[in-house]
Amino acid sequence: SQELEQSPQSLIVQEGKNLTINCTSSKTLYGLYWYKQKYGEGLIFLMMLQKGGEEKSHEKITAKLDEKKQQSSLHITASQPSHAGIYLCGADIQGAQKLVFGQGTRLTINP
Amino acid sequence: NAGVTQTPKFQVLKTGQSMTLQCAQDMNHEYMSWYRQDPGMGLRLIHYSVGAGITDQGEVPNGYNVSRSTTEDFPLRLLSAAPSQTSVYFCASSRPPPGNTIYFGEGSWLTVV
Repeated sequence: SQELEQSPQSLIVQEGKNLTINCTSSKTLYGLYWYKQKYGEGLIFLMMLQKGGEEKSHEKITAKLDEKKQQSSLHITASQPSHAGIYLCGADIQGAQKLVFGQGTRLTINP
Repeated sequence: NAGVTQTPKFQVLKTGQSMTLQCAQDMNHEYMSWYRQDPGMGLRLIHYSVGAGITDQGEVPNGYNVSRSTTEDFPLRLLSAAPSQTSVYFCASSRPPPGNTIYFGEGSWLTVV
């Protein structure tokens, strides 16, 4: 969707390195959802951010929402092979939980 | 915990055939929706429902019909399949906004030849 830009589209990192994926909306965010998808499988919910300045963490994954910039970032610390997959951000821009999605970021972790 | 269940997982259709993708959730969620995922385009909303008897169109509704007769089920009907409908389809459910987790099914891979 042009309303939501996700970058980068592809990312290759060495195991153990940190990485960041960004998601920028052209409209006000009522909620920003992060999902992980492995090829041929469904979407696994990671985190949902709603309030400006909010930050959530789960294991080595941290997501932040900068409401002023209408942007969210997903940061992975000390990447592992299990982090490989496609990361999707979905934005609720109407407050109705009808999501618009970015194109996704394909993450490859090299040993 | 079943969550959101989609059937079938894989289907091949001939152009012009009709079929129904089934979606069921066991979490008593009011909100349900259908998305399609195409390469390079992310997921796009087809139809959604905020409760039994209430449906509305999403971004790409043409060629698809839905109905919501029960809270648990939200089937997606392709009336006359076209090659452009070759895609991966995802059903999702959640409690009403604000700020509730949206759960997705495992997807249905549809090929129209």
